[in-house]
Amino acid sequence: NAGVTQTPKFQVLKTGQSMTLQCAQDMNHEYMSWYRQDPGMGLRLIHYSVGAGITDQGEVPNGYNVSRSTTEDFPLRLLSAAPSQTSVYFCASRMYVLGSYNEQFFGPGTRLTVL
Amino acid sequence: GQNIDQPTEMTATEGAIVQINCTYQTSGFNGLFWYQQHAGEAPTFLSYNVLDGLEEKGRFSSFLSRSKGYSYLLLKELQMKDSASYLCAVFNNAGNMLTFGGGTRLMVKP
Repeated sequence: NAGVTQTPKFQVLKTGQSMTLQCAQDMNHEYMSWYRQDPGMGLRLIHYSVGAGITDQGEVPNGYNVSRSTTEDFPLRLLSAAPSQTSVYFCASRMYVLGSYNEQFFGPGTRLTVL
Repeated sequence: GQNIDQPTEMTATEGAIVQINCTYQTSGFNGLFWYQQHAGEAPTFLSYNVLDGLEEKGRFSSFLSRSKGYSYLLLKELQMKDSASYLCAVFNNAGNMLTFGGGTRLMVKP
């Protein structure tokens, strides 16, 4: 198993550009999520999905879009990048059972800089 | 909403014991988690507490008091490789969100 994979590892954008961060998992996990990590602020949830066709907002969804057309993939789209979106982005996945926990696995991260 | 507090930095000596505290205020609670994150890497799962008390796993132990909104991670026999950030996270009662604190950066010195 490859686990959770993310591409690209590094990306530099100019303000106003758009791009998609890719995330895939091969563990057949229903739950997938995107976090951003800024210095001193821990991980903040952007969007999450509990299954194909179902997405919902997290703590900091503004400026980001997601879709979930398959169980395996959960791309994160930045429609018009801003310097405030400079961050490290982590994708994560786990099995989903409402009200109970299953270990969450993180991808290696994408380091995004917006100039 | 959730409010999770933990110290920003701690320093300890190799071979010693260190306790990292975490306090939380939450509108719903369904478990508390500790993750370890080495610089430039992804977080990895360390422990999970849903009931009050101490959970021990090798050199690492985690304690939870739900009535006090308090948890700690105890690291024994510190090794240099334990230098990392330790993230406290709370699972909400809907089971959909894991909310993280800002993390505690632990530096282990010889």
